Amino acid sequence: EVQLVETGGGLVKPGGSLRLSCAASGFSFSDAWMSWVRQAPGKGLEWVGRIKSKTDGGTTDYAAPVKGRFSISRDDSKNTLYLQMNSLKTEDTAIYYCAARGSFDYWGRGTLVTVSS
Amino acid sequence: QSVLTQPPSASGTPGQRVTISCSGSSANIGSNTVNWYQQLPGTAPKLLIYSNNLRPSGVPDRFSGSKSGTSASLAISGLQSDDEADYYCAAWDNSLNGPVFGGGTKLTVL
Repeated sequence: EVQLVETGGGLVKPGGSLRLSCAASGFSFSDAWMSWVRQAPGKGLEWVGRIKSKTDGGTTDYAAPVKGRFSISRDDSKNTLYLQMNSLKTEDTAIYYCAARGSFDYWGRGTLVTVSS
Repeated sequence: QSVLTQPPSASGTPGQRVTISCSGSSANIGSNTVNWYQQLPGTAPKLLIYSNNLRPSGVPDRFSGSKSGTSASLAISGLQSDDEADYYCAAWDNSLNGPVFGGGTKLTVL
């Protein structure tokens, strides 16, 4: 059974940092392109960024609102995806989901990040 | 304002067929495939349709997708109360170099 479990969310002040993790199981993590997608309270889905598999270069792409502030990495030995979030803004408040594979085939349950003073 | 345009709401009675539209441009739907996601209340999104009209294993054939030009549609036949959810379309956008989502359509089963 595929499982994606996000952790690391919480309350942080504007300008602060947070690192989210996503532990994966039940599929070949090292072969999967992995993404982060967020959903602000009561709003729709917004792609944050992705990391390709190492086989496909392991490169990253980011949405414009987070480029230069957020960084995605992966540890295939631990089947874990990371999202390092710096210079956080109030508009980054959202549930952050990790999603596996190109069509976002699998999703985790999400972790809530609240940016507030 | 979402790059892909969906109606904010849709409704139908049990057993009825409903369709949800998704409108884009040549940069996204016009040149790439469309996926649809179902988000039941209080849960994470789930892949419902991929590559315009393909269903992942376990998705009932009551759900179908289609695409024409720069628009796509999700059809749900034999509507059930369990289908009450938010539905999102998505496609890669060549100009933004990333996937874009519709604003979501809240489906109500009357």
